[in-house]
Amino acid sequence: EAGVVQSPRYKIIEKKQPVAFWCNPISGHNTLYWYRQNLGQGPELLIRYENEEAVDDSQLPKDRFSAERLKGVDSTLKIQPAELGDSAVYLCASSLVLNTEAFFGQGTRLTVV
Amino acid sequence: QKEVEQDPGPLSVPEGAIVSLNCTYSNSAFQYFMWYRQYSRKGPELLMYTYSSGNKEDGRFTAQVDKSSKYISLFIRDSQPSDSATYLCAMSAMGTGNQFYFGTGTSLTVIP
Repeated sequence: EAGVVQSPRYKIIEKKQPVAFWCNPISGHNTLYWYRQNLGQGPELLIRYENEEAVDDSQLPKDRFSAERLKGVDSTLKIQPAELGDSAVYLCASSLVLNTEAFFGQGTRLTVV
Repeated sequence: QKEVEQDPGPLSVPEGAIVSLNCTYSNSAFQYFMWYRQYSRKGPELLMYTYSSGNKEDGRFTAQVDKSSKYISLFIRDSQPSDSATYLCAMSAMGTGNQFYFGTGTSLTVIP
């Protein structure tokens, strides 16, 4: 069974440019998470989806970040415009239902220059 | 105070040693506990998942949860160089609206 798939793996952009990350969760997993991980830190939740509904986006910087999960499967996280402080690894995870074990993708390493 | 505290290390042990990794937490409502292993430039890989208190063993790995002390541990027996990675603990409370809270991770190096 395929795991959580993320693309791209790496992205380097100039500040003020837009960027988008894509995630395909494990088949059948209803819950999808986007996390951000800074160097030497644990992942921090940005947004959580139950099917296609965003049920926890309190930590998503909504002035520049947006996310969507069409048809309750794939998800896209967008930043526009990017700032230097957005440089981090963006991780997508999925779980069968809430509070069961979550499985992570390989992450997208974003560098904003 | 952070929800989850984890000693960042780094921790360096000889091959074959028993490794103990620990996290403490402040929220008594946490019921679900996980340990992840993260290699450099990779996503976190789920190692252990436990619910409520008690022990769980899987091969060389044992997870312990002591809810009375708000303390969880991961033990690695007969440590191998391939165990060299960062280990993250994560936990959440029951019910909707509850996210996973992660520790900062402990960096482990097993020396051959």
